[in-house]
Amino acid sequence: DTGVSQNPRHKITKRGQNVTFRCDPISEHNRLYWYRQTLGQGPEFLTYFQNEAQLEKSRLLSDRFSAERPKGSFSTLEIQRTEQGDSAMYLCASSTNNSPLHFGNGTRLTVT
Amino acid sequence: AQSVTQLDSQVPVFEEAPVELRCNYSSSVSVYLFWYVQYPNQGLQLLLKYLSGSTLVESINGFEAEFNKSQTSFHLRKPSVHISDTAEYFCAVSEGNNDMRFGAGTRLTVKP
Repeated sequence: DTGVSQNPRHKITKRGQNVTFRCDPISEHNRLYWYRQTLGQGPEFLTYFQNEAQLEKSRLLSDRFSAERPKGSFSTLEIQRTEQGDSAMYLCASSTNNSPLHFGNGTRLTVT
Repeated sequence: AQSVTQLDSQVPVFEEAPVELRCNYSSSVSVYLFWYVQYPNQGLQLLLKYLSGSTLVESINGFEAEFNKSQTSFHLRKPSVHISDTAEYFCAVSEGNNDMRFGAGTRLTVKP
């Protein structure tokens, strides 16, 4: 069981820099989700893919955020011109139709 | 849109005591309900789920939750907790679409 894999585990960056995170879902899962979790809060939905199509985006996802899933397998989440408020744990999850979400261990972003 | 309220941010209990973690949701349609657990420095893991059928659902490690439609609740219970149950517990609701909403979490601390 390879599970959902996220890289890197930790990322420290300076304000204004761009960062990119990668998520490798469970291989047979067609659905992929990105969530953001800040300290003391539950995960907040950011965006969702079914295969390569990005079908939903939260209002939390400003124009500095972009996500892709080019071949319907792995996904990347890019944050441009990072701000200190972007510091959070970024979680990726995958699933099949109507199955529970399987989460990765997350990428912790710290913007200094 | 659906939402989740976890009424207790922290629940300290002694080992072998019973525990109840409360969860209430709001939705205008039928829902699926979930409890996820997050151990320190790990990703979220599905603990149990209610999709349909019996309103009482159980996990393999002794937790159970009961879906109460009239009270819009999905409280999590365990009759006797262990030190190893110390973790953050998240209640989540889905309307069958692609946007699973999480509560803010309850930190369960089991003391010897």
